[in-house]
Amino acid sequence: GAGVSQSPSNKVTEKGKDVELRCDPISGHTALYWYRQSLGQGLEFLIYFQGNSAPDKSGLPSDRFSAERTGGSVSTLTIQRTQQEDSAVYLCASSSSLTAPFFGPGTRLTVL
Amino acid sequence: AQKITQTQPGMFVQEKEAVTLDCTYDTSDQSYGLFWYKQPSSGEMIFLIYQGSYDEQNATEGRYSLNFQKARKSANLVISASQLGDSAMYFCAMRRPISSGSARQLTFGSGTQLTVLP
Repeated sequence: GAGVSQSPSNKVTEKGKDVELRCDPISGHTALYWYRQSLGQGLEFLIYFQGNSAPDKSGLPSDRFSAERTGGSVSTLTIQRTQQEDSAVYLCASSSSLTAPFFGPGTRLTVL
Repeated sequence: AQKITQTQPGMFVQEKEAVTLDCTYDTSDQSYGLFWYKQPSSGEMIFLIYQGSYDEQNATEGRYSLNFQKARKSANLVISASQLGDSAMYFCAMRRPISSGSARQLTFGSGTQLTVLP
């Protein structure tokens, strides 16, 4: 497709389980962003990838959160030992140096 | 560090009227980009308009225009002829220049909830 895609669209998990969230950026976009949005709140920056550079991980809230980007394309955000406060919508965006970041539809994570 | 401030948590506007959503920012960069996004209740983030810090003209995109006042560090969004479908949360955001390398993530404001009244 032409836009950013994310999967799954919804994920319900039990406290303590690990989850993986996937983001497929727009083809050719070198930058990829992950954000988190809790219910009724603004966007919280998590991590930023730019080409082959070391990612900016300054927004990851704890060491339970990690992300990788394989081959400069698909990215996976992993949350280990999930907690109830991890419940949120996780948004991915991608951009080139000349475009605005375009967002995917998000993954709604619910931790029971 | 970059900071975006949106001082209007909620705004109401009558259908067909114009509305201005405020955004002020703080940065030490000489070059930067400013963005506005719309988030309807469905949750998707929709890019609306972009203004580069060195752009001499205010950006316009259909019914959206950006009132950019660099000296005041403000980048207000103006929506003309409001429609019911404009009811949504609106976020202002800033991005550092390419020279920032990996520190180029978007910094968002807290958003303004716009409600268009029939």
